[in-house]
Amino acid sequence: EPEVTQTPSHQVTQMGQEVILRCVPISNHLYFYWYRQILGQKVEFLVSFYNNEISEKSEIFDDQFSVERPDGSNFTLKIRSTKLEDSAMYFCASSKLQGSTNEKLFFGSGTQLSVL
Amino acid sequence: AQKVTQAQTEISVVEKEDVTLDCVYETRDTTYYLFWYKQPPSGELVFLIRRNSFDEQNEISGRYSWNFQKSTSSFNFTITASQVVDSAVYFCALSNYGGSQGNLIFGKGTKLSVKP
Repeated sequence: EPEVTQTPSHQVTQMGQEVILRCVPISNHLYFYWYRQILGQKVEFLVSFYNNEISEKSEIFDDQFSVERPDGSNFTLKIRSTKLEDSAMYFCASSKLQGSTNEKLFFGSGTQLSVL
Repeated sequence: AQKVTQAQTEISVVEKEDVTLDCVYETRDTTYYLFWYKQPPSGELVFLIRRNSFDEQNEISGRYSWNFQKSTSSFNFTITASQVVDSAVYFCALSNYGGSQGNLIFGKGTKLSVKP
């Protein structure tokens, strides 16, 4: 079965540094998402992306965050100046159609971001 | 406001026991979707089921079954004859139909440990 791949699986960075998390969604999918999960807590929606623009974002997704689809296959999440509280598992997801109406979301295995 | 409550933080059972994971949701929408995801120790989120608010039929898939009751705003998940491989964190999630497609509201998860 096709899958969403995320790299790296674990990223360690210093506070204040920029970090880019990378995702390759399933090839014929059109909708892309980032979620995060702080250790021991629930999974939280960050942003959804369609047709090269953000379609929805949560309160968590402030000016420090940005997303991009730089080419036909990658979908990236950039954190401009990381804070300790950004430490979390970040999940990328994709769906063929809008997530909750017709298709399930396929999630990647996540990138564990540790900010020191 | 939308909310998903999974009151059971951790459950431990012995193999072959049946186990039910509870999920209670809150939403003002009349059309919404409910999901269950499994997060095994490897970390990825695995889709299990999606149910829309118009379909209250219970569903069975192998050892898994789901009981959706709108009257009590619950969407409980039962594993029959549990196996060690069922050990994982299970998340219930909610999404509305209108403007938040793809924006899943997750519960805090229930960690299930199945001992041999």
